[in-house]
Amino acid sequence: DTAVSQTPKYLVTQMGNDKSIKCEQNLGHDTMYWYKQDSKKFLKIMFSYNNKELIINETVPNRFSPKSPDKAHLNLHINSLELGDSAVYFCASSQRRDITDTQYFGPGTRLTVL
Amino acid sequence: AQKITQTQPGMFVQEKEAVTLDCTYDTSDQSYGLFWYKQPSSGEMIFLIYQGSYDEQNATEGRYSLNFQKARKSANLVISASQLGDSAMYFCAMRFSGTYKYIFGTGTRLKVLA
Repeated sequence: DTAVSQTPKYLVTQMGNDKSIKCEQNLGHDTMYWYKQDSKKFLKIMFSYNNKELIINETVPNRFSPKSPDKAHLNLHINSLELGDSAVYFCASSQRRDITDTQYFGPGTRLTVL
Repeated sequence: AQKITQTQPGMFVQEKEAVTLDCTYDTSDQSYGLFWYKQPSSGEMIFLIYQGSYDEQNATEGRYSLNFQKARKSANLVISASQLGDSAMYFCAMRFSGTYKYIFGTGTRLKVLA
């Protein structure tokens, strides 16, 4: 059983298109996250939801819009894709709001914008 | 400002030897958690080990141990008896009390030589 899953694993698209990435976790966690990992492997947090409520919204272009239909799902929609959006996007989840809480990651979605 | 620093962008180690990956952090908080993740070439982020700021003993998980020196604000990962499969990127991360946010270091790429 996959704990945190993402679809698709690879996404190749043209500039200007709109695309979505889906994430699901079966760990029963309350909090989910989106990260962007660039070509230098730097991990940057983008968004976080706790029980469907947006709790972290970092400085991200408003072309990126997260949506959490329920606490087990967190999707990321990207409008008007740009070359600089090419990266690996990771979904993650965690259970509690304390320092012992381990974050578990999905397998990542490699987005390539041509 | 809260910050994590991994000063070694890349390291080599001979198979079966031990290796230490450095992680230092900057915070005035007294309550925080420290995490290490492994990212192999396949791309997934794998949780390795956790250390709480109030833990008096260093954490260990199999061949992984965390050399935690609170006064020096360092949380180095020690891998004993390196294996070829340990070749990967390693990330140090922190979480602070009262927040959902995790902060990641820039990573260290480890290459184990046969």
